[in-house]
Amino acid sequence: EAQVTQNPRYLITVTGKKLTVTCSQNMNHEYMSWYRQDPGLGLRQIYYSMNVEVTDKGDVPEGYKVSRKEKRNFPLILESPSPNQTSLYFCASSRTVNYGYTFGSGTRLTVV
Amino acid sequence: GENVEQHPSTLSVQEGDSAVIKCTYSDSASNYFPWYKQELGKGPQLIIDIRSNVGEKKDQRIAVTLNKTAKHFSLHITETQPEDSAVYFCAATPQGYSTLTFGKGTMLLVSP
Repeated sequence: EAQVTQNPRYLITVTGKKLTVTCSQNMNHEYMSWYRQDPGLGLRQIYYSMNVEVTDKGDVPEGYKVSRKEKRNFPLILESPSPNQTSLYFCASSRTVNYGYTFGSGTRLTVV
Repeated sequence: GENVEQHPSTLSVQEGDSAVIKCTYSDSASNYFPWYKQELGKGPQLIIDIRSNVGEKKDQRIAVTLNKTAKHFSLHITETQPEDSAVYFCAATPQGYSTLTFGKGTMLLVSP
């Protein structure tokens, strides 16, 4: 089944404790992206990647890092999480940016 | 960059009625316009998309129309059913851009 897999689905952590949210796709997509979703603000892009080793900032990149060492994986790293990063996170992949995205099921992160 | 405005933010209809959600975009170079449906607890799912060389596209009860002159596009759902209840997002991207800009979403409630 074609899908984007995110882990974990739920995560509660403390301020300053480094964490990684994994994202993997099995569709051989070149384009991958991370979004955060907050009430009233919609979907805001954090980082995106056009291909392996090619990443760039989206609208809200502060406090986040990404890497794209393999085509299928695009982890999101929070080196020192803060409470304002409490949010619902989605990973998405696509053949290109001008094509339908496949979203993962989301990761609900709470930073206390 | 691109800016996408979506209206209304909430829409309540009776089962069997039609629902229309409208979006406007700012960049006349935008040429790809997808619509996503997000059910509770799930990631957004592509339901229909349209490109700028087409004025209208239909898929069963769902249709999207595009007016390039006015820079707006709309989602039309006919014969609504309770399972159509969800949050709907529009999006747009110009040719050559590396990101997709989303509207803030419309919560559609279909009452039996």
